[in-house]
Amino acid sequence: IAGITQAPTSQILAAGRRMTLRCTQDMRHNAMYWYRQDLGLGLRLIHYSNTAGTTGKGEVPDGYSVSRANTDDFPLTLASAVPSQTSVYFCASSDSSETSGVNEQFFGPGTRLTVL
Amino acid sequence: GQNIDQPTEMTATEGAIVQINCTYQTSGFNGLFWYQQHAGEAPTFLSYNVLDGLEEKGRFSSFLSRSKGYSYLLLKELQMKDSASYLCAVTDGDYKLSFGAGTTVTVRA
Repeated sequence: IAGITQAPTSQILAAGRRMTLRCTQDMRHNAMYWYRQDLGLGLRLIHYSNTAGTTGKGEVPDGYSVSRANTDDFPLTLASAVPSQTSVYFCASSDSSETSGVNEQFFGPGTRLTVL
Repeated sequence: GQNIDQPTEMTATEGAIVQINCTYQTSGFNGLFWYQQHAGEAPTFLSYNVLDGLEEKGRFSSFLSRSKGYSYLLLKELQMKDSASYLCAVTDGDYKLSFGAGTTVTVRA
C-alpha cells in the first residue's frame, strides 16, 4: 500500500451498535488524526495522536475513542453509535518532526457512516 | 479557540480568475494551509503560508497577512477541473489543524 488507507469505505449501522473505523498509513508519519466532515460545518477534529502510545482530544471527542499501539495504525471506535454520528470520517497523518518543514496532513479516502 | 471564515460558494467562468478569502481569529498561529477537495474525495494539500506575503505555485497563489488575520487563495486561468471545495485551515503550535467550512467553487464554460 502507498499512503493512507481507511476501511470500510461505507457502512450502515444500527443505533447502539459498536463500530471501529480502521486507518493505516505506510509513510512512517508520527502524527495521526481523525476528523468528521458534515455539510456546512467543515472538517472537525475528533481525536489525534502526536506519536505512538499517546492520544489527545480534539474539538468533538464525545462518543469516540482511539488508540495508537504502533506508528501505522490509528483506529477510531464508536462504543454505542447514535444517529448524530452519521458523517464522513477522514483519517489523516503528518510528519510533525522539527526538521520536516511544512508538515502538511495527508488524508485517507474517507469512510461514509450512516447510523439509523 | 479558532474562528475561521470563508465564503460558502463562488462561481466563475472558465479561463477567469477567482480569489477566495479567508479570515481567522485564533488563540495560536503556526501557519495557514489551503486544501482542495473534489466532491466525494479526500482533501489534498495546495499551499502553506507562515510568513506574510505571496506564495505562487503554478496557477494557484496564496497570500497571508498575519497582522490582519487574513489570507486568500488565487486561482488563475480557471479550468473545469478546478470545480471543487477549497478549505482554509490554521495550525497552532501543536500541529493540529482547525478548518473553515470550505468554499465551493463552480467553474462554468
